[in-house]
Amino acid sequence: DQQVKQNSPSLSVQEGRISILNCDYTNSMFDYFLWYKKYPAEGPTFLISISSIKDKNEDGRFTVFLNKSAKHLSLHIVPSQPGDSAVYFCAAQDDKIIFGKGTRLHILP
Amino acid sequence: DTGVSQDPRHKITKRGQNVTFRCDPISEHNRLYWYRQTLGQGPEFLTYFQNEAQLEKSRLLSDRFSAERPKGSFSTLEIQRTEQGDSAMYLCASSLGQRSNQPQHFGDGTRLSIL
Repeated sequence: DQQVKQNSPSLSVQEGRISILNCDYTNSMFDYFLWYKKYPAEGPTFLISISSIKDKNEDGRFTVFLNKSAKHLSLHIVPSQPGDSAVYFCAAQDDKIIFGKGTRLHILP
Repeated sequence: DTGVSQDPRHKITKRGQNVTFRCDPISEHNRLYWYRQTLGQGPEFLTYFQNEAQLEKSRLLSDRFSAERPKGSFSTLEIQRTEQGDSAMYLCASSLGQRSNQPQHFGDGTRLSIL
């Protein structure tokens, strides 16, 4: 049973536009969420996190939004750049990390 | 910052053989984690250590799997009598501190292929 769900396997976005990646979770006890980015043949790289006491966290071009009542997170990337093409994993952390299946983001020239 | 190092990067072996992977965490990190990733899935938790103590093991970790972190530094993951279903990417991660909300930093993984 998937506790962290990323329902879009892939997403294509024009360079310079906003990329929005979505994630839902089922366990209301989760209190720390992360996004990881993964290139082929490399391990996941930590991107940004958010605690459940916040509803937004921003780091440069990356912003994560948390809606606890809807058990929903989203990652916004603006403006999108070619190097952002990768697989993005949404995750919840409680000692161990519980990952979603990932969304493959393609940035189109 | 040398990052998390895993060895080997690739391992091809015949079914029934034993394999051992090594992970060297970031030097000051006291927590070390093992995950497994199969095609089309996100990484799945296997086990983790705080210093040399193994604190949690997933149900995915059958009795053919054993992990150690003898001196609280590097860790090894051994799979005995490998099966086709063991083919996957094995990822190691490390983090600093006692609290769970410290981001984990991953190595590039060991890709295991069972013939």
